[in-house]
Amino acid sequence: DAGVTQSPTHLIKTRGQQVTLRCSPKSGHDTVSWYQQALGQGPQFIFQYYEEEERQRGNFPDRFSGHQFPNYSSELNVNALLLGDSALYLCASSPSTDTQYFGPGTRLTVL
Amino acid sequence: AQSVAQPEDQVNVAEGNPLTVKCTYSVSGNPYLFWYVQYPNRGLQFLLKYITGDNLVKGSYGFEAEFNKSQTSFHLKKPSALVSDSALYFCAVRDTGRRALTFGSGTRLQVQP
Repeated sequence: DAGVTQSPTHLIKTRGQQVTLRCSPKSGHDTVSWYQQALGQGPQFIFQYYEEEERQRGNFPDRFSGHQFPNYSSELNVNALLLGDSALYLCASSPSTDTQYFGPGTRLTVL
Repeated sequence: AQSVAQPEDQVNVAEGNPLTVKCTYSVSGNPYLFWYVQYPNRGLQFLLKYITGDNLVKGSYGFEAEFNKSQTSFHLKKPSALVSDSALYFCAVRDTGRRALTFGSGTRLQVQP
């Protein structure tokens, strides 16, 4: 049984560009959450998707948006990238509100 | 609002000795508490959780945690540390009315041979 998978592993972008990160949840999980982990810090909640709708959102600007597909996979989109968006982006899946299991993350570097 | 404090940036312990990584929390409702471990350039790996019931929770790899409601603490413990336990440990909390996890800043555990 595959765990949570994320793609790509690493990504380098320049300021002002747009990026899309992808996440496939663990089998049997219908809820996907996204977190941003800046260097030396704990993860910060971006948003959570369930039944293809954003269920809760953290304190992130509208430049951060997402989507969940019928197969429960999810995308995180970030527009107008800033240097401060450089971070490890973590996807977590769970069966509804139960324990969240994390993927390996996507390391985004903005130059 | 919910918050988590991990007061120690780093904990050093000799292999074979017991270890404790501290965590205190603040939530408005009943807390759901979690410990995760992160190895270099990896995602977070779930160790254990407290939802309700016994205050001592047992998890993966010999780790356990003790929930103390009066002190609002959820300290991670292991009776005998291994060098392979060296990693970054995060405590997280969620209250019953929210879905987001709030994480502490992390504690780096260094186990010396």
